[in-house]
Amino acid sequence: EVQLLESGGDLVQPGGSLRLSCAASGFTFSSYAMSWVRQAPGMGLEWFSGITDSGGDTYHAESVKGRFTISRDNSKSTLYLQMNSLRAEDTAVYYCTKGSDTSRPYYFDYWGQGTLVTVSS
Amino acid sequence: EIVLTQSPGTLSLSPGETATLSCRTSQSLTGSFLAWYQQKPGQAPRLLIYDASIRATGIPDRFSGSGSGTDFTLTISRLEPEDFAVYYCQPYGDSRTFGQGTKVEIK
Repeated sequence: EVQLLESGGDLVQPGGSLRLSCAASGFTFSSYAMSWVRQAPGMGLEWFSGITDSGGDTYHAESVKGRFTISRDNSKSTLYLQMNSLRAEDTAVYYCTKGSDTSRPYYFDYWGQGTLVTVSS
Repeated sequence: EIVLTQSPGTLSLSPGETATLSCRTSQSLTGSFLAWYQQKPGQAPRLLIYDASIRATGIPDRFSGSGSGTDFTLTISRLEPEDFAVYYCQPYGDSRTFGQGTKVEIK
């Protein structure tokens, strides 16, 4: 059974930093692209960061570019998100998602339960 | 950047009725690479449909997807109480931006 378990969400002051983790199990982690999707309170879904299976290629949306960094440790089956220079507008539930395929455009077939990040003084 | 427009914003229906949700994209999607997700309050989204019309594992057959190019539809036949939720569409070719969602609420 595929499981994605996020951790690291917390209350942090504006300008602060936080690192989220997503522990994966139930599939060959190193074979699949992974992503982070967030959802601000009462709002829709925003895909803002992705990483290829090897970790050699990453994507960051303009909204987080230069502040957030996605990475992975395939030996630990864990996905990370380093968040720096946090702003109030980064307040959201952060979901870890698994890419569906290894050889064609992928959708998100599994989602974690989410971890809440609150940026406030 | 592909822009998605989901309509309507809210759909008020009774159990047993049929819900028809629309997702329009600003550019034609090659390969019909479009997915639909369901999200219930306090829960993570769940994959319903991929490749525009293929049901994900375990999804009841009252959920069906159709469309190609720029116009896509999610149809929920015979609404069950557990189907009242928010539904998002998402392309996954050149862009993975989500639509703004359609809320299906109990009338």
